[in-house]
Amino acid sequence: AQKVTQAQTEISVVEKEDVTLDCVYETRDTTYYLFWYKQPPSGELVFLIRRNSFDEQNEISGRYSWNFQKSTSSFNFTITASQVVDSAVYFCALSEARAGGSYIPTFGRGTSLIVHP
Amino acid sequence: DGGITQSPKYLFRKEGQNVTLSCEQNLNHDAMYWYRQDPGQGLRLIYYSQIVNDFQKGDIAEGYSVSREKKESFPLTVTSAQKNPTAFYLCATRTSGSPSDTGELFFGEGSRLTVL
Repeated sequence: AQKVTQAQTEISVVEKEDVTLDCVYETRDTTYYLFWYKQPPSGELVFLIRRNSFDEQNEISGRYSWNFQKSTSSFNFTITASQVVDSAVYFCALSEARAGGSYIPTFGRGTSLIVHP
Repeated sequence: DGGITQSPKYLFRKEGQNVTLSCEQNLNHDAMYWYRQDPGQGLRLIYYSQIVNDFQKGDIAEGYSVSREKKESFPLTVTSAQKNPTAFYLCATRTSGSPSDTGELFFGEGSRLTVL
């Protein structure tokens, strides 16, 4: 079963629109970590945020905000007043303890965000 | 500049040939990782190394091999046994090789391999 589901394959918006990228995860662990990464056209993934399973506080960083809800196993990402530079593929990832105790992230399939001027 | 360097950026190979992708880092990070990215598939873990001279198979290790003789370097060889090697390959590092490290990964810019 897929552990991280990003149901939106591609989202297209016009500049200044708000957009929410969905992420639903699946785990049996009580301790786990969730991440969002951004992959611009250059290719390298850039870390955006990490949350642990014990901290459900929502977070805001400039135009970015994250809504973590354990009750629905979701960790959604909202960009307010989108800009063309936000165009990228966004990945949600889940880290839970693998065999041997290593926390190595499992990635979702990514959501491609296209922001039109 | 501190960072992760992957080379080559683009590589073409004929079927049946082995090819080695380079990943070098000067971040002094202990752990290094190789992921494969296919369109619509996300990133899948091939191999990882938490310390020099040690590495572990990831979720899709078949047809790949690695070595970790130096802290700075973690080359990936795509062998002829890999049935569908055309993909985008990403190398990543993490500060600590401790299994309990839950920190973020740092990524290189990737290598795109095309098998003709």
